[in-house]
Order: sequence, then C-alpha cells, then structure tokens
Amino acid sequence: GQQVMQIPQYQHVQEGEDFTTYCNSSTTLSNIQWYKQRPGGHPVFLIQLVKSGEVKKQKRLTFQFGEAKKNSSLHITATQTTDVGTYFCAPNFGNEKLTFGTGTRLTIIP
Amino acid sequence: EAEVAQSPRYKITEKSQAVAFWCDPISGHATLYWYRQILGQGPELLVQFQDESVVDDSQLPKDRFSAERLKGVDSTLKIQPAELGDSAMYLCASSLGLAGLDEQFFGPGTRLTVL
Repeated sequence: GQQVMQIPQYQHVQEGEDFTTYCNSSTTLSNIQWYKQRPGGHPVFLIQLVKSGEVKKQKRLTFQFGEAKKNSSLHITATQTTDVGTYFCAPNFGNEKLTFGTGTRLTIIP
Repeated sequence: EAEVAQSPRYKITEKSQAVAFWCDPISGHATLYWYRQILGQGPELLVQFQDESVVDDSQLPKDRFSAERLKGVDSTLKIQPAELGDSAMYLCASSLGLAGLDEQFFGPGTRLTVL
C-alpha cells in the first residue's frame, strides 16, 4: 500500500537548538500537508506544499517539498518550549485523501 | 472561531457493548472524516463523507463499525459490539472541499476505553 516513512520517531533537543523532521515516500505525491499535535490535543494544520521544490516559511518554521515530490521536511530554528508536540506529515498520493505519517515527537529540554 | 464539535469527550464501555460518537463539523464544510488514533501513532482514516455520501470507507471494519451523515451535516460513528482493541482516540475532522487539497480542521476527539 501507499505508505510514508517519517523520521526520527522521537527527538529531544535543548531549548534554542534546531530541529528537523523528514517525510519520505517511495511514490510521487500530489501534495503534502503538515500538522502539529500538542500533548493531549488534536492535530492542527500548519502548511500545505504543492509544487516541486517548494519552500515555505512561517516564522521559525521552514517547510520544503523535494524536487521529485517524494519527500518533505520541516525545520524549526531555535526551538522554544511552545514547539513541544508531535509533528505529522500527511501526504496526498493522488487518491483524494491524506495518509498521516507516524509522526515525530519533539520534546524540549529547558 | 468556528470549531468541530464532538461528543462525548470520554467513553468507557465494556466489550460487546454498543457505543456511538457524534460529530458536528464546521458549518459549510462539505467533507467530513472520522479517524482513529492509537496512542503513539498517526491518525488512520476510517471513513470519509462528501456531503451525505461515503467516498472512502476502505479501512472501516464494517462488521462492527458503521457511520452515517444523513443530512450532510452532522455525523455519527457507531461500534457494535465494542472489542478491547477498539480502545483509541476517535477524531472527527472537516474540510471545505476535496480531501487532500484543503486544510482539515479536527475536533477534540472522543477517547474510548473498552474494558
């Protein structure tokens, strides 16, 4: 089936350090969305990437979509305690539905 | 700000009992989704509605799960009979248009515990 691999599964960083999570697919994607889920909360939409090689920024967050549209990444610069949570990529394989990745759980060491 | 409503927030039941969850999407959102999220995993799509029609229920265990969205607005997900392995968070989400292309708004979820 169509699956996506998200790495790492867990990441512990010192506050102020950078953080990156990667989402990899073996097949070409139509587009990809990213969501954040705080502990005890529900997923909240962050961004959607559609074009090959697309890069979008939201303050300290940078999202990239690979040239081949098979992988994507989320990079957070200078993490803060408010960044704690699980980050999910959710690719669209062209079948009009999202397939959520396994997520990367980010914890911040103050 | 408009939100997706779900009830109940928590449900504890014994195996073999029936349970039902309710979801009210954001007004005007044509697409409604039910997801199941097991602790430590990503949401798994159970069923997707476009207005009142089911467009994807390929991962819905149809021998025990059913879902409806009769008037194309709110929706109910039912499990009968519940099994121990059904313990999970059940999330409802809605989007304005087509799945995979529009932002999905999630409700707070219903945490189900089957004893």
